Amino acid sequence: EVQLVESGGGLVQPGGSLRLSCAASGFTFSTYWMNWVRQAPGKGLVWVSRINGDGSSTTYADSVKGRFTISRDNTKNSLYLQMNSLRVDDTAVYYCARDFYNRLDSWGQGTLVAVSS
Amino acid sequence: EIVLTQSPGTLSLSPGERATLSCRASQSVSSSHLAWYQQKPGQAPRLLIYGASNRATGIPDRFSGSGSGTDFTLTISRLEPEDFAVYYCQHYGDSPPINFGQGTRLEIK
Repeated sequence: EVQLVESGGGLVQPGGSLRLSCAASGFTFSTYWMNWVRQAPGKGLVWVSRINGDGSSTTYADSVKGRFTISRDNTKNSLYLQMNSLRVDDTAVYYCARDFYNRLDSWGQGTLVAVSS
Repeated sequence: EIVLTQSPGTLSLSPGERATLSCRASQSVSSSHLAWYQQKPGQAPRLLIYGASNRATGIPDRFSGSGSGTDFTLTISRLEPEDFAVYYCQHYGDSPPINFGQGTRLEIK
């Protein structure tokens, strides 16, 4: 069974940093592209970032470019999102999602990031 | 950037009725790159339909997808109580690589 479990969320002040993790199991992690998608309270889904299977190619939404860094450790079956210079409008539930042929076929339960002074 | 516009914003129906949700793209997209997701309160999204018309694993056959070009539709033939949720369409493209519509809330009338 495919499982994705996010962790690392919490309350942080504006300008602060946070590192999210996503632990994957039940599939060959290194062969899948992975994504981070976020959802602000009461709002819709917004794609944040994507990484290919070996970590050599990354893509970011304009809203996070230069502040967030996606990475992965295939030896640990883990996906990461390093978030720096956090802003109030980064407040959201962050989901990791597996990328499979033009769709996101498995999602974690999400981790809440709250940016507030 | 391709913009996905979903309508209606909210749909109020009763169990047993038929639901028709629309997703319109700002320019023509490949059907193979169009997916639909269901999200219930407090839960992660779940893939329903991919390639515009293919049901994901475990999705009941009362859910169907159709469309091409700029107009796509998600149909739920006979609403069950557990189908009341928010539905998102999604396009997989170039820039940005993944784009969602704003969602349609399906509520019990």
